[in-house]
Amino acid sequence: DAGITQSPRHKVTETGTPVTLRCHQTENHRYMYWYRQDPGHGLRLIHYSYGVKDTDKGEVSDGYSVSRSKTEDFLLTLESATSSQTSVYFCAISESTSESPDTQYFGPGTRLTVL
Amino acid sequence: AQKITQTQPGMFVQEKEAVTLDCTYDTSDPSYGLFWYKQPSSGEMIFLIYQGSYDQQNATEGRYSLNFQKARKSANLVISASQLGDSAMYFCAMSIYNFNKFYFGSGTKLNVKP
Repeated sequence: DAGITQSPRHKVTETGTPVTLRCHQTENHRYMYWYRQDPGHGLRLIHYSYGVKDTDKGEVSDGYSVSRSKTEDFLLTLESATSSQTSVYFCAISESTSESPDTQYFGPGTRLTVL
Repeated sequence: AQKITQTQPGMFVQEKEAVTLDCTYDTSDPSYGLFWYKQPSSGEMIFLIYQGSYDQQNATEGRYSLNFQKARKSANLVISASQLGDSAMYFCAMSIYNFNKFYFGSGTKLNVKP
C-alpha cells in the first residue's frame, strides 16, 4: 500500500471557522491531489500540486486553498467553512510521466462536518 | 472536454456469477489511461485495474478484467465468480497522458447476494 496518511480522520466544526486538512506521503511522489466525495457526484478534484510550491485549481476550487512547502505534505484549507463543504475529503498521489498516466493512490479520507 | 459516464447506479449479482459494470468515456486525445477503483463500505479507495489506450490486449488482474472497446469508447469492468466481499461502490476513471488529472464517473454500487 502507498504510504499516504490524512489528518484528522474526522472533524466537526462550525460555520465560519477555518479548517486545515493535512495529507502526508512517504512515497516521494511528485503529484498530490485533493478531492471531495459527495453522494451522486463521485470524486471531484479541488486542487492539485505538481511540485513544491506548484499548485493549480481543479473543478471545485472555490472556498478552498492549498499549500505545499515540502514534497511530502499537501495542506487543504477552508478559510471560512460552510455547510456546503460538509463532505469526505480524499488525498491522492501519483508519479505521472509524459509517457503514461500513473495510477493515483488514495489516502484513507477525512470526514468533515460543518454545522 | 473529458467525461466518464457510469449509467448503472446500482446492480445486484448472485454469488459466484460474473458481472459487468459499464463505463463509457469521451475524449478527443488519443493517449489516455482508464482505471477502475473499488470503494467498500469502510470508505477507502482501492485501485483495481488499468488499461492504456495503446494497449492491444484487455487488462486482467485476477478475477478482474477490463473489456476495452476503443471504437465504442467503452471500458467495462468484468468481475468473474463474484464474492460477497465484492459488494462495494465501483468507480471508473480516466487520465490523459501529459495531463495529470483524473476524471471520475459517478460510480456503480454492486451488491452480491448469497
